[in-house]
Amino acid sequence: ETGVTQTPRHLVMGMTNKKSLKCEQHLGHNAMYWYKQSAKKPLELMFVYSLEERVENNSVPSRFSPECPNSSHLFLHLHTLQPEDSALYLCASSQEYELYGYTFGSGTRLTVV
Amino acid sequence: TQLLEQSPQFLSIQEGENLTVYCNSSSVFSSLQWYRQEPGEGPVLLVTVVTGGEVKKLKRLTFQFGDARKDSSLHITAAQPGDTGLYLCAGRDNYGQNFVFGPGTRLSVLP
Repeated sequence: ETGVTQTPRHLVMGMTNKKSLKCEQHLGHNAMYWYKQSAKKPLELMFVYSLEERVENNSVPSRFSPECPNSSHLFLHLHTLQPEDSALYLCASSQEYELYGYTFGSGTRLTVV
Repeated sequence: TQLLEQSPQFLSIQEGENLTVYCNSSSVFSSLQWYRQEPGEGPVLLVTVVTGGEVKKLKRLTFQFGDARKDSSLHITAAQPGDTGLYLCAGRDNYGQNFVFGPGTRLSVLP
């Protein structure tokens, strides 16, 4: 496989559930990102990992917990979410500090009921 | 905090027409990127511009970076239904390491 792969593509969860989103990249990039895309709002940066260390956390609620076990894998652990957390969650990777831009996955469409 | 504005928010045109969409900010960017996002998919990088006044062409798409590096435009010639999507611009300033995204222009090209 090439590029950035996200699973699952769709997820419906209750507010008391615990679930995890998975992202995998096969591009040899050294930085990975989680973005949230809601209707009528710009892409919001949630977390940045560089060389497997978290370098940015944009005031994201603690009910979102990222994990980066190695440079190819990124997880977003979810627990006790709210309906307003329903959105498209996008993972991206890049070669840090270079201008080649981000390679995005197809996203996970999350619905919290 | 940088703020990127994009206009128009929505655009619906007929196949074969030309169009221009805009990305503006009060901040100066060291580089600016354009992405296209199709329904159900993640954004795909189209181009990166880094020099004020720079013009880049990608087939029927022409990208221009403003002289002051605060704005950019994307011009599409003879639009096709395959051009339909959400066009996002993203800018990075001289201090930040990450790109900030605009809200996007949603383009619909009707056959």
